[in-house]
Amino acid sequence: GAVVSQHPSRVICKSGTSVKIECRSLDFQATTMFWYRQFPKQSLMLMATSNEGSKATYEQGVEKDKFLINHASLTLSTLTVTSAHPEDSSFYICSARSLSEETQYFGPGTRLLVL
Amino acid sequence: AQTVTQSQPEMSVQEAETVTLSCTYDTSESNYYLFWYKQPPSRQMILVIRQEAYKQQNATENRFSVNFQKAAKSFSLKISDSQLGDTAMYFCAFMKPPGNSKLTFGKGITLSVRP
Repeated sequence: GAVVSQHPSRVICKSGTSVKIECRSLDFQATTMFWYRQFPKQSLMLMATSNEGSKATYEQGVEKDKFLINHASLTLSTLTVTSAHPEDSSFYICSARSLSEETQYFGPGTRLLVL
Repeated sequence: AQTVTQSQPEMSVQEAETVTLSCTYDTSESNYYLFWYKQPPSRQMILVIRQEAYKQQNATENRFSVNFQKAAKSFSLKISDSQLGDTAMYFCAFMKPPGNSKLTFGKGITLSVRP
């Protein structure tokens, strides 16, 4: 299957700082990428859909000024958590859509801990 | 809107035996895709199997196969010859084409394989 990387795998930051998470499709081009948040033992919650070269589409209840998404190329999308607070601590996962397979492939996730 | 229901929160199976995980969904669409994803303790989401609704033949991938009943809106996953590495959370998901549509996930089921 297609490979998606995510960096960093885990990050600890102080409250009030910003954190950037990168999502890359390594062996295919992805016009669309997705960002999810997941709490332990729960399902994935879609935060936003990222389209290359255009603005992201955010799900209801997700603050777009807090969770900045940039999809500047066909292989890279970034999620920046601005002015992070302890309640933003979570597991963030990205996925990339494979055009040829009509399938989403997932990155390994990023554990964010805000102190 | 589409919904995906996984009614069993947990299941357990003896190594080398067969287990079936249930999933039902609700949609008014005629063409769509269904997926099973596996999330082991590492939390990496892994595609297990994919089914296109217009294909009557049930998808298979080695020890994994599905029973797709379109009229009943049922999409169960059968794991044969269960292995310890199959221990994971399994998510059933629905997607309406095109591929930049969102995945709708079920709540997931935790499968434990006993040695």
